[in-house]
Amino acid sequence: QVQLVESGGGVVQPGGSLRLSCAASGFTFSSYGMHWVRQAPGKGLEWVAFIRYDGSNKYYADSVKGRFTISRDNSKNTLYLQMNSLRAEDTAVYYCATVPAAGFDYWGQGTLVTVSS
Amino acid sequence: SYVLTQPPSVSVAPGQTARITCGGNNIGSKSVHWYQQKPGQAPVLVVYDDSDRPSGIPERFSGSNSGNTATLTISRVEAGDEADYYCQVWDSSSDHYVFGTGTKVTVL
Repeated sequence: QVQLVESGGGVVQPGGSLRLSCAASGFTFSSYGMHWVRQAPGKGLEWVAFIRYDGSNKYYADSVKGRFTISRDNSKNTLYLQMNSLRAEDTAVYYCATVPAAGFDYWGQGTLVTVSS
Repeated sequence: SYVLTQPPSVSVAPGQTARITCGGNNIGSKSVHWYQQKPGQAPVLVVYDDSDRPSGIPERFSGSNSGNTATLTISRVEAGDEADYYCQVWDSSSDHYVFGTGTKVTVL
């Protein structure tokens, strides 16, 4: 069955860095665009970044542009989010998800990132 | 940037119909997806491309989109439908995905 498993979350100080990973299985990872979406405690969903199936296009929310980098390794079926210059407002559960395509849509369980001194 | 506005809350009695709106400038020209999120869980797609249902989603969930408003309709509401609901679109003018502000559905 389709699985997306995020890892790499944790507590980091303001200004620090963290790299999230999302291991995919059960589907042809290299055929699907992927997102990172986050949700601050008690808040709504916020789109963070998108990468095309082949990595050729990447788009970012204004709130993270220049600080976060999305990437993928199709040979390892893994999606990444490199997060630099972290701020308190980046504290959230981070989900990786497939871009919805004809009803094909899967999300991981999420990984918590806490930015605090 | 493109903004999607939803009512913060909708209350409905069991067996009745809940309608959740998603307002955006000329949203009728975009493809709208709807997600259901229960506490402590990842979102689940309930309607895609305005009005299609993924496999496994009950026919009670339906969607429409025209003009400046998209609507998710939940017919014959059940207690298990209590959740937060979000609309989502791709805004090609900014190359951004956008989520709506979210609506909490309460079953009375």
